[in-house]
Amino acid sequence: KAGVTQTPRYLIKTRGQQVTLSCSPISGHRSVSWYQQTPGQGLQFLFEYFSETQRNKGNFPGRFSGRQFSNSRSEMNVSTLELGDSALYLCASSLGTGSREQYFGPGTRLTVT
Amino acid sequence: KNEVEQSPQNLTAQEGEFITINCSYSVGISALHWLQQHPGGGIVSLFMLSSGKKKHGRLIATINIQEKHSSLHITASHPRDSAVYICAVRSWWFYFGTGTSLTVIP
Repeated sequence: KAGVTQTPRYLIKTRGQQVTLSCSPISGHRSVSWYQQTPGQGLQFLFEYFSETQRNKGNFPGRFSGRQFSNSRSEMNVSTLELGDSALYLCASSLGTGSREQYFGPGTRLTVT
Repeated sequence: KNEVEQSPQNLTAQEGEFITINCSYSVGISALHWLQQHPGGGIVSLFMLSSGKKKHGRLIATINIQEKHSSLHITASHPRDSAVYICAVRSWWFYFGTGTSLTVIP
């Protein structure tokens, strides 16, 4: 089975721009979660989707949004980028929500200049 | 206040040593995960625990639900074990520890 894939792997954007990141889960997995990792804050939960519905959202401003499609692929969008949004964005898929094994993608490294 | 506390933050060991990484948490959880992250960013899930003890090869993970504490042990450590180990707990969502950076010297 193919693993979790994320595109693009690297991205450089300018302050004020917006960005869309994509995550394709493992085949058969219906839950996708997104995380932000920075040197200062470590890993932080962004959102969790299951069957096209957002189940949970972490403590991030409304500039961060996401969605999940009927094929379980997910996208996250960050609008009006700030320098502090520079981070590694990771997605993880699992069969369902709750206490399930998470399988992580390689991440998208976003640099905001 | 961090919901998940890990110790130590950094650890250097000689090849062959027995290693312990500790994790304490303050929220109610349904499961605790131990993750491994190598340079470059890729994260691998090592264990998912809700009670007791699990073993995979040289790695052992334990959890004490009453004390809200978990430990990850590496027996006979090897340089390829060098990585960051992250404790994560599933409550409403995931809370993460800040990680333990392990370096194993040959």
